Amino acid sequence: DTAVSQTPKYLVTQMGNDKSIKCEQNLGHDTMYWYKQDSKKFLKIMFSYNNKELIINETVPNRFSPKSPDKAHLNLHINSLELGDSAVYFCASSKIFAWAHKYEQYFGPGTRLTVT
Amino acid sequence: EDKVVQSPLSLVVHEGDTVTLNCSYEVTNFRSLLWYKQEKKAPTFLFMLTSSGIEKKSGRLSSILDKKELFSILNITATQTGDSAIYLCAVEASSGGGADGLTFGKGTHLIIQP
Repeated sequence: DTAVSQTPKYLVTQMGNDKSIKCEQNLGHDTMYWYKQDSKKFLKIMFSYNNKELIINETVPNRFSPKSPDKAHLNLHINSLELGDSAVYFCASSKIFAWAHKYEQYFGPGTRLTVT
Repeated sequence: EDKVVQSPLSLVVHEGDTVTLNCSYEVTNFRSLLWYKQEKKAPTFLFMLTSSGIEKKSGRLSSILDKKELFSILNITATQTGDSAIYLCAVEASSGGGADGLTFGKGTHLIIQP
């Protein structure tokens, strides 16, 4: 009954390859995100999707593309992987309770990507 | 650009001590401030604060927000070794067009020594 799940947990691949990371949430949240955590543990947002619409793209290279088949899924595709892409990638989902001025965001377990 | 600054960046204390972690922010259209605890894996949600002066409490952890001075503190009393983690502060700002992601601080690495 995991709320936000990601696969795979670990991904080791060579430079130049194309890879995907999958994310699914069963919380009924309406927005999903991808974050990158670098070697210094700094978390930075990459994308968010709300109702299949991209809202944020924080100067991420266009080798990265999020794909959302439905509200419960947001997959991350990465083309032509580079050494600098090595990091932990976290998926998250959120819901705004506008009437209560409340917001919650929960994270997936992370995918450790190593590019060799 | 939205900014979140946490201090200290690292802190080593003994079990039983009380610690206070700080988070200051500069954002446009502030909506909420969130605290997360990160051990080896994903950050886990601790608190969300939207109103000034109202303390949120969960066991030995408590947090309060000061919207006038633009900061929040996270207190942990009677610390235990299991409290050792990175504590992340994040701020949500509204762009007016819908949901935004969170802006994170660099975190406070807390180490509790037995």
